[in-house]
Amino acid sequence: DQQVKQNSPSLSVQEGRISILNCDYTNSMFDYFLWYKKYPAEGPTFLISISSIKDKNEDGRFTVFLNKSAKHLSLHIVPSQPGDSAVYFCAARITSGSRLTFGEGTQLTVNP
Amino acid sequence: NAGVTQTPKFQVLKTGQSMTLQCAQDMNHNSMYWYRQDPGMGLRLIYYSASEGTTDKGEVPNGYNVSRLNKREFSLRLESAAPSQTSVYFCASSEAIWQLTDTQYFGPGTRLTVL
Repeated sequence: DQQVKQNSPSLSVQEGRISILNCDYTNSMFDYFLWYKKYPAEGPTFLISISSIKDKNEDGRFTVFLNKSAKHLSLHIVPSQPGDSAVYFCAARITSGSRLTFGEGTQLTVNP
Repeated sequence: NAGVTQTPKFQVLKTGQSMTLQCAQDMNHNSMYWYRQDPGMGLRLIYYSASEGTTDKGEVPNGYNVSRLNKREFSLRLESAAPSQTSVYFCASSEAIWQLTDTQYFGPGTRLTVL
């Protein structure tokens, strides 16, 4: 039972344009969400997070939006840069003390 | 400050062989984790240790054992490797799993092939 799903295995965008990565979840008890970025042959690195009491969180070029009624999370990258090319994982947690549940990942390619 | 380190980086085993993957963190974190990453399946939790002296099963614990040697080190052991355990293994640590905003930091991974 995949509780966190990233339905797009890959996404290709032009440099300077917006990248939108999507994540859907089924468990309405999730109350904290994170995005991780992973380059080849490296471990994932934390990118940005959002609590369920918010619907938006920004950090520089990265913004995460949360739509609780739709059980949908998205990551916007504006403007996209070639160095953003990586696999992006969304993850969710139910309560403090519980483990993270990860999505399958989306490969983002930003073309110069 | 090296963060989370893992050894070895690569390993090839024959079916039935055993091995231990080592992980250490220098961030004074309480909680540590072992994940495996397989194509199209994201990161799946094998075992975790909320704090020194405790370990708990994750989503896919069968075929693995762990030891939280001390606060810094958390090892993963494959007693009798199987081809289904071919994967990339990541160790992670975090300040405290009991904090809602807890963030995990990952090591570089071990690529394991079981023939």
